Amino acid sequence: SQQGEEDPQALSIQEGENATMNCSYKTSINNLQWYRQNSGRGLVHLILIRSNEREKHSGRLRVTLDTSKKSSSLLITASRAADTASYFCATATNTGNQFYFGTGTSLTVIP
Amino acid sequence: SAVISQKPSRDICQRGTSLTIQCQVDSQVTMMFWYRQQPGQSLTLIATANQGSEATYESGFVIDKFPISRPNLTFSTLTVSNMSPEDSSIYLCSVHGPMNTEAFFGQGTRLTVV
Repeated sequence: SQQGEEDPQALSIQEGENATMNCSYKTSINNLQWYRQNSGRGLVHLILIRSNEREKHSGRLRVTLDTSKKSSSLLITASRAADTASYFCATATNTGNQFYFGTGTSLTVIP
Repeated sequence: SAVISQKPSRDICQRGTSLTIQCQVDSQVTMMFWYRQQPGQSLTLIATANQGSEATYESGFVIDKFPISRPNLTFSTLTVSNMSPEDSSIYLCSVHGPMNTEAFFGQGTRLTVV
C-alpha cells in the first residue's frame, strides 16, 4: 500500500499552544498536500508543498517537506478551539492521478 | 475550485438492501473518485469513474458490489449493493483541480447498515 502514515494518531492541546503533526510516505512524489476534516464530513484542502520546496507558510500553518526522509510536518500555531478536526496528508505522484491519503491525526484543542 | 453536491448526507439501511449515492459537480471534470472511510480510518479509494468508460476499481472492490455510473462530465453515482453492517462507513466523492494540486470533496454520505 502507498498510504502514508501520520503521527501522532491523536493530539490534545490547550488553546493558544502549537500543534505539530507528521506524515511519512513511501514513494517519490510530485507534491504533498494537507487536508482538514470536520466530524466525518468532506475534506478541505489546506496547503500544498511541491517536491522541490522545503517549507511553506499560509496564515497560521507551516508545512515542511524532507524528500530525503520522505516526511512532512504540519505546524498549526496559536491553536484555536475551532481547529479541532482530523488532519490528513495526501501525496500525488508524477504518474497517475490518484492521491494517497495518510492515516490522519485527530486534533483536539481545549478552550 | 469545484463545488460538489453529494446526497444523501446520511442514511440508515437494512442489511441486504442497496443504496445509491449521487454526486453533482458544478463544472465538467474528466475523472471522479469514490472513497470509503471506515470509522476512525483514512480514505480508501474504491474506484475512479471516467465518463464514457467503465470505472476502474481498486484492489478489494468489485463492480457487482459497488456499481458506478458516470453518464456525463458533471455527475456520478455509486451504489452500495446487498449491504451488510461491514459496509457502514462514510462514502465520499471527489474531483481534482488542475495539475492534480488539490482535491475537492462532497460533504460525504454517512451510511449505517443495521
